[in-house]
Amino acid sequence: EAGVAQSPRYKIIEKRQSVAFWCNPISGHATLYWYQQILGQGPKLLIQFQNNGVVDDSQLPKDRFSAERLKGVDSTLKIQPAKLEDSAVYLCASMRTANTEAFFGQGTRLTVV
Amino acid sequence: AQSVSQHNHHVILSEAASLELGCNYSYGGTVNLFWYVQYPGQHLQLLLKYFSGDPLVKGIKGFEAEFIKSKFSFNLRKPSVQWSDTAEYFCAVNADNAGNMLTFGGGTRLMVKP
Repeated sequence: EAGVAQSPRYKIIEKRQSVAFWCNPISGHATLYWYQQILGQGPKLLIQFQNNGVVDDSQLPKDRFSAERLKGVDSTLKIQPAKLEDSAVYLCASMRTANTEAFFGQGTRLTVV
Repeated sequence: AQSVSQHNHHVILSEAASLELGCNYSYGGTVNLFWYVQYPGQHLQLLLKYFSGDPLVKGIKGFEAEFIKSKFSFNLRKPSVQWSDTAEYFCAVNADNAGNMLTFGGGTRLMVKP
């Protein structure tokens, strides 16, 4: 089966600019996660969707980050405006149901200058 | 809230040495446990998983992990590492009543010298 697709792979923007990331999960996977992975650290959960509803967004900086998963399939994560500390790899993962494994995309490496 | 701790941030071993990476989690309920690996330039891949049953689970490439409920631990082991095991290893936990939230530890960077 096809894996989790993410785009773009790399993005360089200036601080205060906006950026959007896209994720296409594995077909039929109800749960979708967005993680932020800063260099040298483990992935930090930003937001979790179950179909098109938000399950947890407690660690999402809502003043600048937003995410949506329309129709319960693809998802976009947006940062507006970006800060230097947002430089990280943004990972998307999907899971079919509870008690199964999560599959990860290649990630988008964001550099804010 | 659930959390995961990985004790070793960097590990350097010679080929054929034995490996043990520590992982502890803080959650009192029923958990699913995972080890993921990230090879240089690649995405996170599942190494092994524990949902229930035999607490000693075997994964790909000769890795295994033991779930010790009383110690809240899920340590990763391999009897003899190879240069190709050079990667970053992440422990993750998914708790039964935490809405399927998947929480990761900080990772351990393993370097195997040929």
